[in-house]
Amino acid sequence: GQNIDQPTEMTATEGAIVQINCTYQTSGFNGLFWYQQHAGEAPTFLSYNVLDGLEEKGRFSSFLSRSKGYSYLLLKELQMKDSASYLCAVLDSNYQLIWGAGTKLIIKP
Amino acid sequence: DTAVSQTPKYLVTQMGNDKSIKCEQNLGHDTMYWYKQDSKKFLKIMFSYNNKELIINETVPNRFSPKSPDKAHLNLHINSLELGDSAVYFCASSQASREGLLTDTQYFGPGTRLTVL
Repeated sequence: GQNIDQPTEMTATEGAIVQINCTYQTSGFNGLFWYQQHAGEAPTFLSYNVLDGLEEKGRFSSFLSRSKGYSYLLLKELQMKDSASYLCAVLDSNYQLIWGAGTKLIIKP
Repeated sequence: DTAVSQTPKYLVTQMGNDKSIKCEQNLGHDTMYWYKQDSKKFLKIMFSYNNKELIINETVPNRFSPKSPDKAHLNLHINSLELGDSAVYFCASSQASREGLLTDTQYFGPGTRLTVL
């Protein structure tokens, strides 16, 4: 079966750095997305990786290793507004988006 | 202007009723989706429409039916509502070709919280 694994919850301190990991086992791979979802709101796009390596976008970076079936989202200079769930999603060989359950990130002052 | 809009935002109804949720996107995208997010926060795709043609239809009960009057709208009709239908339903859209190259970002609507009593 297809599987996306992320930690359920993480806690970090304002101003610090946090890395949220995602491992996947899917039938084929056509890219990996990270979305941010604040409580009670819709998911919003953060990043898309299809090649190995690190993609940097401001305070957020996303890394992909296709051989390991692994990605991480790195958040720097954490702010209170970064408290949200972070969803990892993989596009499989049929171009269907398989979603993880998300990682709830709690930021403490 | 809101890119993807849904109405209503909240919907509370009795078991057995029939209800509809509307979705509109003004992004000029070719593909629209309906997702169900359950209490465990898993997002499950229900339907996908590309240029008014159904291209993904996950194994959802046939009580659920998508209706697309045009490329900018994809409404969700639910008949004979059941308790287990309570969830948040998200509409989304993306710029995707007919061949299903769904590599573009999906833009989500604000969600509709459905509660069935």
